[in-house]
Amino acid sequence: AQSVTQLDSQVPVFEEAPVELRCNYSSSVSVYLFWYVQYPNQGLQLLLKYLSGSTLVESINGFEAEFNKSQTSFHLRKPSVHISDTAEYFCAVSVGNDYKLSFGAGTTVTVRA
Amino acid sequence: DGGITQSPKYLFRKEGQNVTLSCEQNLNHDAMYWYRQDPGQGLRLIYYSQIVNDFQKGDIAEGYSVSREKKESFPLTVTSAQKNPTAFYLCASSRSPTGAPTDTQYFGPGTRLTVL
Repeated sequence: AQSVTQLDSQVPVFEEAPVELRCNYSSSVSVYLFWYVQYPNQGLQLLLKYLSGSTLVESINGFEAEFNKSQTSFHLRKPSVHISDTAEYFCAVSVGNDYKLSFGAGTTVTVRA
Repeated sequence: DGGITQSPKYLFRKEGQNVTLSCEQNLNHDAMYWYRQDPGQGLRLIYYSQIVNDFQKGDIAEGYSVSREKKESFPLTVTSAQKNPTAFYLCASSRSPTGAPTDTQYFGPGTRLTVL
């Protein structure tokens, strides 16, 4: 089974400060990578995904993630966070032709004024 | 509006009772999934279905059952055999019947089940 590690379970950050959420995966074959966001008591929403091509992918709300094959990482970044970014963030991976997603344990981001 | 609905939002169950969680989608998606979410553990796949009248066990299927009689519906039954059922349950769907790995999975709002 695919292993996904989110290195930080909790990330407190001040408003307008940058944030980075780290994600590493275990596969050495072709992978598809996803970041989902979950607001309190809600389902997950896709934030961004890497399928192929440019290793830097961006979302519409200022997040970006970079696929690094040599380091098997897909870290999520935002240069300036808002209070509304307070949520739990999940990294997920699917491998080759296996459409099942493997999720990391999640990182809770708390943005303070 | 297209989307996935789950009901109820909160569900309380006594030990020894079976309960059924509803999941309906009007996205015309072929594939549907059930996940369980526990604090600090991310999401774990319970069952998935690629097409009507067909479904497969995920990583933690013991104590659960599903049916897929209609394309838009994928109910999950939590049976009394599930030893620790208190959790947040999420239903998802994706477009392709083969569940192409590039397909985005869309999630419902979830059902929080508590066993009393």
